[in-house]
Amino acid sequence: GDSVTQMEGPVTLSEEAFLTINCTYTATGYPSLFWYVQYPGEGLQLLLKATKADDKGSNKGFEATYRKETTSFHLEKGSVQVSDSAVYFCALTPDSGNTPLVFGKGTRLSVIA
Amino acid sequence: GAVVSQHPSWVICKSGTSVKIECRSLDFQATTMFWYRQFPKQSLMLMATSNEGSKATYEQGVEKDKFLINHASLTLSTLTVTSAHPEDSSFYICSVRTGGNQPQHFGDGTRLSIL
Repeated sequence: GDSVTQMEGPVTLSEEAFLTINCTYTATGYPSLFWYVQYPGEGLQLLLKATKADDKGSNKGFEATYRKETTSFHLEKGSVQVSDSAVYFCALTPDSGNTPLVFGKGTRLSVIA
Repeated sequence: GAVVSQHPSWVICKSGTSVKIECRSLDFQATTMFWYRQFPKQSLMLMATSNEGSKATYEQGVEKDKFLINHASLTLSTLTVTSAHPEDSSFYICSVRTGGNQPQHFGDGTRLSIL
């Protein structure tokens, strides 16, 4: 079945450091890909998305490019802030119907001043 | 603005109490909603798929008599944790998917603490 694998955390960075969180997937068909962010004590918020190969999703300084050839959707940010500390989840749509997204296990990011 | 509203956000109650959590879809009619459970520092675990007007579909290992789901309208699904015990303490999150290539939208979650 479809699956998402993302790098295990926790990831600890200093403020203004460059961030990469790796995400790879296996899927039949052509899934859409998402990154969600979960701040402490809250639900998940959509961070960015890409619906087809070579699309780049971006939001709040974060970017991820849909790479079909490497089945990857790595999350990047050029300069992280303390407020970016959260758990990040990579996810894909398994189909165009009403089945739930397939999630990775999440990567906890801690940014220190 | 919020697409999914979940209530309450925090519940503390005694062992043996039943607790109801509401999930409302604010901007669209949702024939399907999802209920997740999340333990501290862990990923989301899908518990069940709530289907409007019919029985919910539970994931393997989830007790349907323990976690009662009702999806009586296109905008409301409820999860009732019956006779809750301390091991049921967790963070419960509902979610809606509008279909196609659209993302899922999540409620803010309910933190349930059973004493």
